[in-house]
Amino acid sequence: GNSVTQMEGPVTLSEEAFLTINCTYTATGYPSLFWYVQYPGEGLQLLLKATKADDKGSNKGFEATYRKETTSFHLEKGSVQVSDSAVYFCALRPNFGNEKLTFGTGTRLTIIP
Amino acid sequence: SAVISQKPSRDICQRGTSLTIQCQVDSQVTMMFWYRQQPGQSLTLIATANQGSEATYESGFVIDKFPISRPNLTFSTLTVSNMSPEDSSIYLCSVELYGIQEETQYFGPGTRLLVL
Repeated sequence: GNSVTQMEGPVTLSEEAFLTINCTYTATGYPSLFWYVQYPGEGLQLLLKATKADDKGSNKGFEATYRKETTSFHLEKGSVQVSDSAVYFCALRPNFGNEKLTFGTGTRLTIIP
Repeated sequence: SAVISQKPSRDICQRGTSLTIQCQVDSQVTMMFWYRQQPGQSLTLIATANQGSEATYESGFVIDKFPISRPNLTFSTLTVSNMSPEDSSIYLCSVELYGIQEETQYFGPGTRLLVL
């Protein structure tokens, strides 16, 4: 079956540090890949997505590249801000068959001023 | 994207009672989903709600405990029945959009439920 493995948290960084949150997946075929972010006390927001190999999703300074050869979709940001403190979820959706999202366990990120 | 609202945003309930959560979308959508997020955990899909048909429940979730209605293409409700403290969670609805956006799920703000 499908699965998503995320870097264990929590992750604590200083402001302006470089961020990487690892995400690898197992799926049949070529799924779409997503990063969602959950700010404290809120629901999930779509951060970025990629639908095919070598696609790069980007938003708000965050980037992730769909790497088929390593089945990965690592989230990166060059300089984090305190406002980036949130829980980040990696997810996949098969592009055929059922439409269900499979989520990773989430990574809690805290940015210290 | 879609604008999704949920009511109530939070509630505190007594065990043995039931709570109905509403989800409203600003556009017509075919696929709506209900998720549960237990404290500190990831999201677990409860059921898929399609208009005009019975909801499809995931393993471990049953209709008697989580009845769902989907009367039209912009609205759905989830009821948490005969609640116990183990039902304390965030409940989120989501919708799937097609077309230019391709298949992407957008989430509501969630309903935070505490059962005493």
